[in-house]
Amino acid sequence: KAGVTQTPRYLIKTRGQQVTLSCSPISGHRSVSWYQQTPGQGLQFLFEYFSETQRNKGNFPGRFSGRQFSNSRSEMNVSTLELGDSALYLCASSLAGNYQETQYFGPGTRLLVL
Amino acid sequence: AQSVTQLDSQVPVFEEAPVELRCNYSSSVSVYLFWYVQYPNQGLQLLLKYLSGSTLVKGINGFEAEFNKSQTSFHLRKPSVHISDTAEYFCAVSPIRAAGNKLTFGGGTRVLVKP
Repeated sequence: KAGVTQTPRYLIKTRGQQVTLSCSPISGHRSVSWYQQTPGQGLQFLFEYFSETQRNKGNFPGRFSGRQFSNSRSEMNVSTLELGDSALYLCASSLAGNYQETQYFGPGTRLLVL
Repeated sequence: AQSVTQLDSQVPVFEEAPVELRCNYSSSVSVYLFWYVQYPNQGLQLLLKYLSGSTLVKGINGFEAEFNKSQTSFHLRKPSVHISDTAEYFCAVSPIRAAGNKLTFGGGTRVLVKP
């Protein structure tokens, strides 16, 4: 069974631009979560989608948004990029998004904002 | 709200020596506990998790962890490390009975195994 895939793997943008990242979960998984990883702040939860609905949200500004499609694939969008948005963005999938389930992480998308 | 503290940011250790990575958490509700490993340029992989039952949990690659409720700790151990264990390790918690997935991570411990 294929793992979680994320595209693109690397991305360079300039301040003020917007970016869209994609995540394809493991087949059959309906929950997709997004995390931001930076050296300063560590791993921080962005949001979780289940059955095309946002179920949980972290403490990030409204510039960060996401969506989930009927096939469970998810995208996250960051508008008006800032230098501080440079990070590794990880997505994780699980079957039903229950709190005790194992989340399977993708390799991440490394975003550099110049 | 939950918070997780990993007391050591870096742990150098010689090959075949034991290693212990410390994790303490704070939470107003009961939590499930997890340890993840991140190898260079890769995503996170689950090592083990504590949901209930025996407080000693065995995971993959020879790792084990012990849940101590009174000390709110979940320390990770391996009796003999290999060069391939060089990676960053993250402790995480998830509130019991909360809807959906929302892991709170510690700051990570970077393990460097020396020959």
